[in-house]
Amino acid sequence: DQQVKQNSPSLSVQEGRISILNCDYTNSMFDYFLWYKKYPAEGPTFLISISSIKDKNEDGRFTVFLNKSAKHLSLHIVPSQPGDSAVYFCAANTGRGSNYKLTFGKGTLLTVNP
Amino acid sequence: EAQVTQNPRYLITVTGKKLTVTCSQNMNHEYMSWYRQDPGLGLRQIYYSMNVEVTDKGDVPEGYKVSRKEKRNFPLILESPSPNQTSLYFCASSSLGLAGNTGELFFGEGSRLTVL
Repeated sequence: DQQVKQNSPSLSVQEGRISILNCDYTNSMFDYFLWYKKYPAEGPTFLISISSIKDKNEDGRFTVFLNKSAKHLSLHIVPSQPGDSAVYFCAANTGRGSNYKLTFGKGTLLTVNP
Repeated sequence: EAQVTQNPRYLITVTGKKLTVTCSQNMNHEYMSWYRQDPGLGLRQIYYSMNVEVTDKGDVPEGYKVSRKEKRNFPLILESPSPNQTSLYFCASSSLGLAGNTGELFFGEGSRLTVL
């Protein structure tokens, strides 16, 4: 059973426009959500996160929105740049200490066209 | 420079030949984990370790072993590799603060393993 779902395998946008990547989850025990970015031939790198007690977190061009009632989060990139082209993974964790576990979605390939 | 180092980066082997993928981090992180990435399946956790001598299974542990004898090292062992273990493997680490782990993992560059 997939607990973190990224239903769009790919997304293509024009440079300068907004990119919106979506993620749905099923486990109501998740209390922290993260986005990772991955370029080819590199490991994923942490991008931005949000705690379940918030509904929005911004970091420069990147904003993550969390809708707990809908069990949905989204990553907005404004404006999109060609260097943003990468695979984006949504992830969620639950628990602290010995019960810690991080679950990833399948990823969305973002292509930003010049 | 803070980093997670995996070796080898690329390996082609044959069924049944034991192999070890090493992972080392220089950030004094308590938490370390192994993931595999497969097309259409994303990142799936194999094993993780909360600290020295403390390891536990992730979502897909079958066919793998790990050990955590030192804080900086977390090797992944394939005792008898099979073709279904052909994959891209990532090691990751993170600190465990007083508030617990928020999931901000540092990843290695990956090890591409092919089992013939």
